[in-house]
Formats: sequence, C-alpha cells, structure tokens
Amino acid sequence: SQKIEQNSEALNIQEGKTATLTCNYTNYSPAYLQWYRQDPGRGPVFLLLIRENEKEKRKERLKVTFDTTLKQSLFHITASQPADSATYLCALSPGGTYKYIFGTGTRLKVLA
Amino acid sequence: ETGVTQTPRHLVMGMTNKKSLKCEQHLGHNAMYWYKQSAKKPLELMFVYSLEERVENNSVPSRFSPECPNSSHLFLHLHTLQPEDSALYLCASSPVRGRETQYFGPGTRLLVL
Repeated sequence: SQKIEQNSEALNIQEGKTATLTCNYTNYSPAYLQWYRQDPGRGPVFLLLIRENEKEKRKERLKVTFDTTLKQSLFHITASQPADSATYLCALSPGGTYKYIFGTGTRLKVLA
Repeated sequence: ETGVTQTPRHLVMGMTNKKSLKCEQHLGHNAMYWYKQSAKKPLELMFVYSLEERVENNSVPSRFSPECPNSSHLFLHLHTLQPEDSALYLCASSPVRGRETQYFGPGTRLLVL
C-alpha cells in the first residue's frame, strides 16, 4: 500500500542546534515534495518545495533534501529557535496527478 | 495571513442540524480545496474545484455537500453529521489545479454532538 511516514513522536532539541525531520514514503514516485509548518489551531503554511530532479533546496535556515532512491526527504532547521516549535508536515505529489498526499506530521519543540 | 479566510472558526452542531462552512480567497487563484484533519491522522483531501468545476470527490459521504459559486468562494454544506465527523476542516487554494503551493486558511474546528 502507499504510505508516507513521518516520525509521530515529538522531537525535542536544544536552542541553537540543528533539527532534522524525516519523511519516508513507499510505493509512490513523487514528482514534487513539499514541507509545511502548522501551528496549533492554524492551517499549514508552505515552507519549501523540491522536485524529483533536485537533490537539495535551501531557504534561509531551512534545507530540504530529496533522495528518490531511498524514498526519503530530510528537512533541516539550522540554529533552531523556540519560535520554530510547531508541527512540520511532509506532502508529496505522485507523478501524473495534481494532488498532494500529506504525512501525519512531526511535532518539533525547541527548548530555550 | 495567507489570503484565505474561513468562517466560522469554531462550530458545534447536533447530528440533526444543517450548517455551512465558508471559505474565501483573495489571491486570484483558480483552484480551491477542502481537507479534513482529524487528530493523529494526515490531512484528507475531500474535494477539489478548478475554475468552479468540481474535479475531485474523494469518496466523501453525501452528508458533506460542496458548492463553488465563483473562483473566490467555496462552501461546505453539512447535514446529519456523525460524531466521527468532528475535525478541523481546512480550505486551501492554489493558482491553478496542479502541483503549486497550496495556501491554507485557518480552518473551522467542528464538533458534532
């Protein structure tokens, strides 16, 4: 069956460290993969998009990698801050479709 | 703010009630979406509208009825809901139906008693 897996356990890290979140998928051939941030009681907010032919994408303190062989995307936040505490969602768009399939998200808590 | 607004933000309804959720986008987008988000579950795509035409209905029960009168407005009409329908209902829009970024509204927190 098709599946997207994100670590359902909360991730706690110390302020200033790099947070690394994982998104694994099976039985998909995604053309696009996105990362969103969601705060409690709010809708998801887009962060980064990476295409299947791209290995890495950066935006300020954020970095996303996409390994179609491992079927995995890693999302990094460098120099993390308490304000980065939120749930981060991975979403992929299977090839040939226009819709996104979302993971359950990983809750990140950055400790001051 | 993302440019997508939803009302009401919170809704409590009985199983025999009829209510409607409203979504409005001020971004000039042509595609709009309804998602359901339940605790511990991923976002579930319910409906997709492209240029006011429904192009996706993900086996959603008929007690949920979408309406898209124009490209800026999207409604979700609710009737005879079940307690398991309690969830956060999110509206999103994108420039066209495709793989672009989706812009989400703040959601409506629905509780069915």
